[in-house]
Amino acid sequence: SFELTQPPSVSVSPGQTARITCSGDILPRQYTFWYQQKPGQAPLLIIYQDTERPSGIPERFSGSRSGTTVTLTISGVQAEDEADYYCQSGDSDTTFAYAVFGGGTKLTVL
Amino acid sequence: QVQLVESGRGVVQPGRSLTLSCTASGFPFNMYAMHWVRQAPGKGLEWVAGLWYYGRIKYYADSVKGRFAISRDNSQNTLFLQMNSLRAEDTAMYYCARASLGGTTPYFDFWGRGTLVTVSS
Repeated sequence: SFELTQPPSVSVSPGQTARITCSGDILPRQYTFWYQQKPGQAPLLIIYQDTERPSGIPERFSGSRSGTTVTLTISGVQAEDEADYYCQSGDSDTTFAYAVFGGGTKLTVL
Repeated sequence: QVQLVESGRGVVQPGRSLTLSCTASGFPFNMYAMHWVRQAPGKGLEWVAGLWYYGRIKYYADSVKGRFAISRDNSQNTLFLQMNSLRAEDTAMYYCARASLGGTTPYFDFWGRGTLVTVSS
């Protein structure tokens, strides 16, 4: 099975740009998705298919990829963005891949 | 609007069984794949199982394969997770999630609030 690796934590000051990476050998062959989870809440989809934002997600959230690494960028970080962030991709090269999550990154807004 | 409501939370002894339910509303339930994702206390997300539209194609994580069974009743807009031979490491919040497809990969565009399962003697 494939694994996705995220840094455990990222810290930024308000107004700065936060970048959260996700690495995995499967990533060049599968889309990546990002979720935000605040304490006591269910995860929320914030990026799908590498770069797309669902309706209602602020434009400051964006996704990009380069080789085996994908990056979630939060521009102009706000206090409300403090949360755990998880990447997710497929776990197979075959049709209808399973889902696999990264270990999560805790974003702290200083 | 889309709503997913899980039920079946509880404390169970190791080796026993428990069934979770997820009732859906606000979308055509029979047109979507549905999945279960869990989160152990203080830990990250772990995909558990997925079920395609008419219940014929099912996938399981290795950690639950042979012990858990996912099913659905499209007439009742309900998803189930039958959990057998429960272990302490199955203790987690269990989320029901609606899935869409990105390429060949399922992703989860709506989630329930979760239901807590504790396995303890």
